[in-house]
Amino acid sequence: AQKITQTQPGMFVQEKEAVTLDCTYDTSDPSYGLFWYKQPSSGEMIFLIYQGSYDQQNATEGRYSLNFQKARKSANLVISASQLGDSAMYFCAMREGTNSKLTFGKGITLSVRP
Amino acid sequence: NAGVTQTPKFQVLKTGQSMTLQCAQDMNHNSMYWYRQDPGMGLRLIYYSASEGTTDKGEVPNGYNVSRLNKREFSLRLESAAPSQTSVYFCASSEVDREADTQYFGPGTRLTVL
Repeated sequence: AQKITQTQPGMFVQEKEAVTLDCTYDTSDPSYGLFWYKQPSSGEMIFLIYQGSYDQQNATEGRYSLNFQKARKSANLVISASQLGDSAMYFCAMREGTNSKLTFGKGITLSVRP
Repeated sequence: NAGVTQTPKFQVLKTGQSMTLQCAQDMNHNSMYWYRQDPGMGLRLIYYSASEGTTDKGEVPNGYNVSRLNKREFSLRLESAAPSQTSVYFCASSEVDREADTQYFGPGTRLTVL
């Protein structure tokens, strides 16, 4: 079974609107971390936000927030007030316990329309 | 601070040739990682170094070797390149090797093996 699932096809959002990018994960480890990265067309991987499995509150970083539903094993990224510069590929990733590996999903392409 | 730097940015090799990808970080991080990104597959861990003096295999280590030269530098070597190694290679680092620590990525090296 896939550890990280990102199944949305290419997403489109109007500038200044909010958008949710879905991510579900699969693990039996009680201790894990969830990450979102942005990859613009230039290719670099930019860290956006982190959520720990024991965190009681949803993580927020500026316009980014993470809708963490532990029982559903979902960690959706919410981008508020979309900007043209948000157009990129977005990756959800998980790190379990003492495992050094970050497991990535296949990514979601987001396009912001003016 | 430059963060994580990688050289070269682009490389074309012929089958059977060897090369070394260089990575350096100036964030005084203890842990460093090498990933490869193939189309539609997200990133996969090749090798990692939890601390200076240690290296371990990741998910896809075959055909690669690594050297943790010092705390700052972690190189990836292809001894006999194969077309299946055509990919984008990312180096990353984190403060320590645990699930809560964010991995920060370099700009990537785009490698083509003919």
